[in-house]
Amino acid sequence: GAGVSQTPSNKVTEKGKYVELRCDPISGHTALYWYRQSLGQGPEFLIYFQGTGAADDSGLPNDRFFAVRPEGSVSTLKIQRTERGDSAVYLCASSPSRGAVHEQYFGPGTRLTVT
Amino acid sequence: AQKVTQAQTEISVVEKEDVTLDCVYETRDTTYYLFWYKQPPSGELVFLIRRNSFDEQNEISGRYSWNFQKSTSSFNFTITASQVVDSAVYFCALSEAGGSEKLVFGKGTKLTVNP
Repeated sequence: GAGVSQTPSNKVTEKGKYVELRCDPISGHTALYWYRQSLGQGPEFLIYFQGTGAADDSGLPNDRFFAVRPEGSVSTLKIQRTERGDSAVYLCASSPSRGAVHEQYFGPGTRLTVT
Repeated sequence: AQKVTQAQTEISVVEKEDVTLDCVYETRDTTYYLFWYKQPPSGELVFLIRRNSFDEQNEISGRYSWNFQKSTSSFNFTITASQVVDSAVYFCALSEAGGSEKLVFGKGTKLTVNP
């Protein structure tokens, strides 16, 4: 079956602009996660959705970052007034429903470059 | 607080050598899960294994084996008879049950297997 997909694969934007990154999880997976990976580092948690609601947004670095998942499937990560420090690979992952800690399946990521 | 330490930043071996990747974790929870992921040069994180804190049995899957020791808070990964295709960055991760089940990653170990 299809894995997690993310679009675009690459995004170059100017400092101060707004960007949206999209994640399409594995069909039937109710849990969806966003992570950010900087060069030479492990992924860092940003936000977790269970269904349509953001169950844990403690990893969002500041209020310029926001994410939605209105129908419990596709999610969009939104970054306002981008800064050069936002440059990183943004990873999306999904996993099956709650009840036990399941492995997360990752998408290929969106490489964001802020110039 | 959760923390994962992968002290080995880079390892280089010659094909057919055995190699062990170290992972040490910190958590206050009694119920938690440990994971290993592989990130090849293509960039997509690939799930390898999940272990829960109540199961200390070692596991073997082909050339891969994992040694979980709660007494030393370690979850080490051994590749036997390494191959060039094993070249990748390997991440160890921790998830505490009952919360958002987010993954906390180590910084990764870059393994290079030379022919």
